[in-house]
Amino acid sequence: NAGVTQTPKFQVLKTGQSMTLQCAQDMNHNSMYWYRQDPGMGLRLIYYSASEGTTDKGEVPNGYNVSRLNKREFSLRLESAAPSQTSVYFCASSLGQGATEAFFGQGTRLTVV
Amino acid sequence: QKEVEQNSGPLSVPEGAIASLNCTYSDRGSQSFFWYRQYSGKSPELIMFIYSNGDKEDGRFTAQLNKASQYVSLLIRDSQPSDSATYLCAVQSRSNDYKLSFGAGTTVTVRA
Repeated sequence: NAGVTQTPKFQVLKTGQSMTLQCAQDMNHNSMYWYRQDPGMGLRLIYYSASEGTTDKGEVPNGYNVSRLNKREFSLRLESAAPSQTSVYFCASSLGQGATEAFFGQGTRLTVV
Repeated sequence: QKEVEQNSGPLSVPEGAIASLNCTYSDRGSQSFFWYRQYSGKSPELIMFIYSNGDKEDGRFTAQLNKASQYVSLLIRDSQPSDSATYLCAVQSRSNDYKLSFGAGTTVTVRA
């Protein structure tokens, strides 16, 4: 049972390059999240998808786009990477509305130089 | 004001002592409260959740919720070196479409 799988685990980008972070879950969850984690800042929500076909901005959406491709997959795209986007990115999923546990992927450590 | 605030830490406790972690939240309509543990270089994992006022115990962990004071805490009894980690408080509310909002985390070190 894989849970939440993120790819890649590590990435180095040059300023201005683009890339897509992939996330897939096999738990039949409705809700999916993208967070970034910076030292001393905790987890900050970038984008959120309550269900297939819907997405919503979180606390720090600027510079990012998302696609909820289907129920399983939720991708995060950086169109023109900036050094301020150097961070650890976590994808998470939960069953849906109501109080339910969120399960996290293993994270992607992104460095923009 | 951040939605979720935690005492900044770091918190250092001797082995066998009680570690006390605090969290306050701004949305009075928040309904669900979670404590996640994150080891260095790893992803967060759920250790406790609480929905109702009062205490909830699970092994060495006790979560306490006071909705009137908008306050939730986590007590770790008989702290062990394996409890050394960052503890993240998370809050969820229907008015915020059940998005999980996290605090900045409190790093706990249990010294042997």
